[in-house]
Amino acid sequence: DQQVKQNSPSLSVQEGRISILNCDYTNSMFDYFLWYKKYPAEGPTFLISISSIKDKNEDGRFTVFLNKSAKHLSLHIVPSQPGDSAVYFCAATYLSGNTGKLIFGQGTTLQVKP
Amino acid sequence: NAGVTQTPKFQVLKTGQSMTLQCAQDMNHNSMYWYRQDPGMGLRLIYYSASEGTTDKGEVPNGYNVSRLNKREFSLRLESAAPSQTSVYFCASMTSGDYEQYFGPGTRLTVT
Repeated sequence: DQQVKQNSPSLSVQEGRISILNCDYTNSMFDYFLWYKKYPAEGPTFLISISSIKDKNEDGRFTVFLNKSAKHLSLHIVPSQPGDSAVYFCAATYLSGNTGKLIFGQGTTLQVKP
Repeated sequence: NAGVTQTPKFQVLKTGQSMTLQCAQDMNHNSMYWYRQDPGMGLRLIYYSASEGTTDKGEVPNGYNVSRLNKREFSLRLESAAPSQTSVYFCASMTSGDYEQYFGPGTRLTVT
């Protein structure tokens, strides 16, 4: 059973517009969420995270929103740039136990057109 | 500062052969992880080592073994490779008290 789901395999947006990537989770025990970005032939790199005690976290052009009641988070990229074209993974974890185990979604491929 | 390094980058095995994937990190991180990435499946945790001297199973441990050789190195062994183990394997590390994992560049493994 997939505990973290990214239901959109791909997304295409125009340069300068907003990109919104979505992620749903089923386990209400998750209390920390992360977004990773992955270019072809490279390992994923950390982008932004959010704790369950917050509903928004912002870092430059990237903002993550968390809706705990809906078990939904989203990543907003404004404005989108061609260099943002990559696969984006959301991930969830439990802070208790401190094992750092991450549960990943399937990924969404973002294409930003010039 | 190389971060997380993985060897080899590519490998082709025949069914039944064995091999070890190597991972090393130079960031003095306590925790290390092995994931596999398959199309449409995201990244799935195979094994992890929360600290030197300990290892634990992740979501998909069957067919794999690991060794935390020291604080820097964490290897993944396939004793008898199967076509279902064709995948891209990523190693990651993390420092205690943080939740940001740093990933290596990956090993692309094909089992025929």
